[in-house]
Amino acid sequence: AQTVTQSQPEMSVQEAETVTLSCTYDTSESDYYLFWYKQPPSRQMILVIRQEAYKQQNATENRFSVNFQKAAKSFSLKISDSQLGDAAMYFCAYSPPTSGTYKYIFGTGTRLKVLA
Amino acid sequence: DADVTQTPRNRITKTGKRIMLECSQTKGHDRMYWYRQDPGLGLQLIYYSFDVKDINKGEISDGYSVSRQAQAKFSLSLESAIPNQTALYFCATSRGNNQPQHFGDGTRLSIL
Repeated sequence: AQTVTQSQPEMSVQEAETVTLSCTYDTSESDYYLFWYKQPPSRQMILVIRQEAYKQQNATENRFSVNFQKAAKSFSLKISDSQLGDAAMYFCAYSPPTSGTYKYIFGTGTRLKVLA
Repeated sequence: DADVTQTPRNRITKTGKRIMLECSQTKGHDRMYWYRQDPGLGLQLIYYSFDVKDINKGEISDGYSVSRQAQAKFSLSLESAIPNQTALYFCATSRGNNQPQHFGDGTRLSIL
C-alpha cells in the first residue's frame, strides 16, 4: 500500500533564510503525482506545488521548489527567503495515475515556524 | 465567492445528535471528497464520490454517511454524534487523480 511519511513534526527558520521540509513515500507505481499543500492558521488548504513523477525536472513556483528523487522516493520542499507569511502546516500528498481507484494520500504534516 | 463552500464554519453540539455538514462547489468538478483532520494525523478520507451515482467509503467511514444530491453538492452526516468525532472536517473537489484538490474552508465540529 502506498504511504507518505513526513518525519519532521515541526521546523523553525529565521526570516529570509532557507528551509527544507522532508517527505518520503512508498509506491510500486512508476507514474504518479506529488503535491505540497500549505495550511496557514486560517485553516485553508492551499496548493503550493505539484510534481509529475515522469518529469525529471524539479518543479519550481517562485520561492518554493522541490527536490524530487524518484529512486529514493523522496520529495522535499525548499522554501527560499522565508517570510512570516510562510508560517503554516505543510502537507505532502501522493496521487496515483489517472483512472483507477482513488488513492490520494496525505502525510501527517510539518508545522513551520518563521522567526522574525 | 469561494469555489468550494462548506457550511457551517463551526458547530458545537451534544452527543447523540444528528448533524449534517454541507458542501457545494462552483468548479464543475465531478469528484468530491470528505476528509477529517485531527492533530498529528493529517487528513483522513471519510468518503469520496466520482459522480452523482458513485459513492465510495474511505479509510474511516464508520459512523458517517454521505449524500451526493447533485454534481455540485455533497453532504456529510453524523447519524449519532460522539465526542471522538470532534475534529476539523474538509470538503474537497478535483478534476481527476492527477489534479490538485480544491478545499473548502473547513467545518470545526465539537461534540460535547
